[in-house]
Amino acid sequence: AQSVTQLDSHVSVSEGTPVLLRCNYSSSYSPSLFWYVQHPNKGLQLLLKYTSAATLVKGINGFEAEFKKSETSFHLTKPSAHMSDAAEYFCVVSDRTNFGNEKLTFGTGTRLTIIP
Amino acid sequence: GAVVSQHPSWVICKSGTSVKIECRSLDFQATTMFWYRQFPKQSLMLMATSNEGSKATYEQGVEKDKFLINHASLTLSTLTVTSAHPEDSSFYICSARQLAGGTYEQYFGPGTRLTVT
Repeated sequence: AQSVTQLDSHVSVSEGTPVLLRCNYSSSYSPSLFWYVQHPNKGLQLLLKYTSAATLVKGINGFEAEFKKSETSFHLTKPSAHMSDAAEYFCVVSDRTNFGNEKLTFGTGTRLTIIP
Repeated sequence: GAVVSQHPSWVICKSGTSVKIECRSLDFQATTMFWYRQFPKQSLMLMATSNEGSKATYEQGVEKDKFLINHASLTLSTLTVTSAHPEDSSFYICSARQLAGGTYEQYFGPGTRLTVT
């Protein structure tokens, strides 16, 4: 079974300061990991994904995440927050060993608030 | 590329009526689509996997007779909420799967907000 734990339900940062959204996962030997962003009443947009290549993954809008197998973590970071980053962020895991029958398991989400 | 649309974006219906939600992959073919449900301020819960030309696979606890799924073509899946009740009010999101870089990636629609009065 796979699972995802997002350690913070709500994170507030000031505009221009770094962002850290924490995620720990539990999965099989070969997980795929994703971060999605959801703006109010909108669908989900993929920020970045890890699928076994480089452990430091760069995504859109200046976000990046590092896969740390020893810590079973996949934390999302951004050096400098913008007001437009305010949204809900979901960490997601998929079991790559079940190729063709992968299901996405979503974390409970972290609401990011940007303080002007 | 990889755009998924949903229609309608929001719908209000009376209790006891049925509502159909469409999910379309606009620029790619998808043999597999997924339907999720999201309650306010909560995460997405997978309801069912929709496979083109075959029956949908429902997750445990999801009533297949209440949430009818039809995946009649490679670009269209529909979810019909039958005999809707207020507790069915929710945000329904679909996704379509595409092989990208050796792995399957899901592209999400913008969601449909259903309110049952």
